[in-house]
Amino acid sequence: KQEVTQIPAALSVPEGENLVLNCSFTDSAIYNLQWFRQDPGKGLTSLLLIQSSQREQTSGRLNASLDKSSGRSTLYIAASQPGDSATYLCAVRGRETSGSRLTFGEGTQLTVNP
Amino acid sequence: GAGVSQSPSNKVTEKGKDVELRCDPISGHTALYWYRQSLGQGLEFLIYFQGNSAPDKSGLPSDRFSAERTGGSVSTLTIQRTQQEDSAVYLCASSLLAEGTGELFFGEGSRLTVL
Repeated sequence: KQEVTQIPAALSVPEGENLVLNCSFTDSAIYNLQWFRQDPGKGLTSLLLIQSSQREQTSGRLNASLDKSSGRSTLYIAASQPGDSATYLCAVRGRETSGSRLTFGEGTQLTVNP
Repeated sequence: GAGVSQSPSNKVTEKGKDVELRCDPISGHTALYWYRQSLGQGLEFLIYFQGNSAPDKSGLPSDRFSAERTGGSVSTLTIQRTQQEDSAVYLCASSLLAEGTGELFFGEGSRLTVL
């Protein structure tokens, strides 16, 4: 059974700092890995999608990497801003699960202080 | 609309009542998923639809939960005889491809409160 773990559970940083969020998964038989952002009381917004054959994806100040063999992904946020404050969720889409459903981590709650 | 649409956005009901939650996926997306997010918990898979195939109901927590998808588009999640532990945000997602490399897109969710 796929298990996804995110570290740290919560992170508080001053504005402008670069930061890294970590995600690990137990089963490397995946199609892809997706990073989401969730604001309080809202749905999930897709940030980056990395296919299993890719090593990284970039969007603006965000960079996500994937090391499938070791079961790890990182989300790098450059020059953090207060508007980046949210919960960040990592999810893997597994080859072994029906419909290739996403298995989610518990999330990292990020607070960027002005 | 361009995104996944869910209704109602908020629902407050009394214990024992039935509720229906609706999801309108992105046009053309063949796969539809329901997830549940309880307070302080991760996202829990409930059910998956793909085209006209039989749905994967393996995540439904009890027989009080059911879902249908009409015409391969709109889906309704029904909870009968609601209990307080059913209080959660119910999230719907759709994907262009059921298997493989497709990206999942989520709606804003339906927040259910059972008193």
